[in-house]
Amino acid sequence: NAGVTQTPKFQVLKTGQSMTLQCAQDMNHNSMYWYRQDPGMGLRLIYYSASEGTTDKGEVPNGYNVSRLNKREFSLRLESAAPSQTSVYFCATRAEVTYNSPLHFGNGTRLTVT
Amino acid sequence: EDQVTQSPEALRLQEGESSSLNCSYTVSGLRGLFWYRQDPGKGPEFLFTLYSAGEEKEKERLKATLTKKESFLHITAPKPEDSATYLCAVQAVGAQKLVFGQGTRLTINP
Repeated sequence: NAGVTQTPKFQVLKTGQSMTLQCAQDMNHNSMYWYRQDPGMGLRLIYYSASEGTTDKGEVPNGYNVSRLNKREFSLRLESAAPSQTSVYFCATRAEVTYNSPLHFGNGTRLTVT
Repeated sequence: EDQVTQSPEALRLQEGESSSLNCSYTVSGLRGLFWYRQDPGKGPEFLFTLYSAGEEKEKERLKATLTKKESFLHITAPKPEDSATYLCAVQAVGAQKLVFGQGTRLTINP
């Protein structure tokens, strides 16, 4: 039972390159989230998907796009990477978005943009 | 706007030295307050959910408490393996998102 799996674990990009961060869950949760974590800034929500077929912007969506491919998978795409997008990216899932169920996190993708 | 402030930013204790971490919050109406533990290079790991003022939850050496304005994470007789960053988050009534604090980095020296 892997829980929430993120790939890749590490990535280095040059400015202007594109990439997709993958997230897959086997918890049968309805809601999925993408966060970024930066020193001194805490966890900030980029996008979320309350259920399959829906996506919504979080606090810091600029420069990102998402796709909820099916109930299990939620990807985050950087179309033209910028140094400001250097961060650790976490995918999380939640049983229901409006209940008090906790978030369950993957172990992150560490992205460096040069 | 919902806000969460954690203090201190960093705390260094000796093994066995008890202390508390603070999470102050401002929300229109609290649906739940969550505590997480994060080890270096890992994602946050869920510890507790608190729903209403006066509630307490315990797990091993950790006890979380909640008032109308803040939550405390009490650590009793900590061990080096308790070293981690502890994150607090709140969800407001009607909100679909959690708001996180910046975390407290706890170091327990043997």
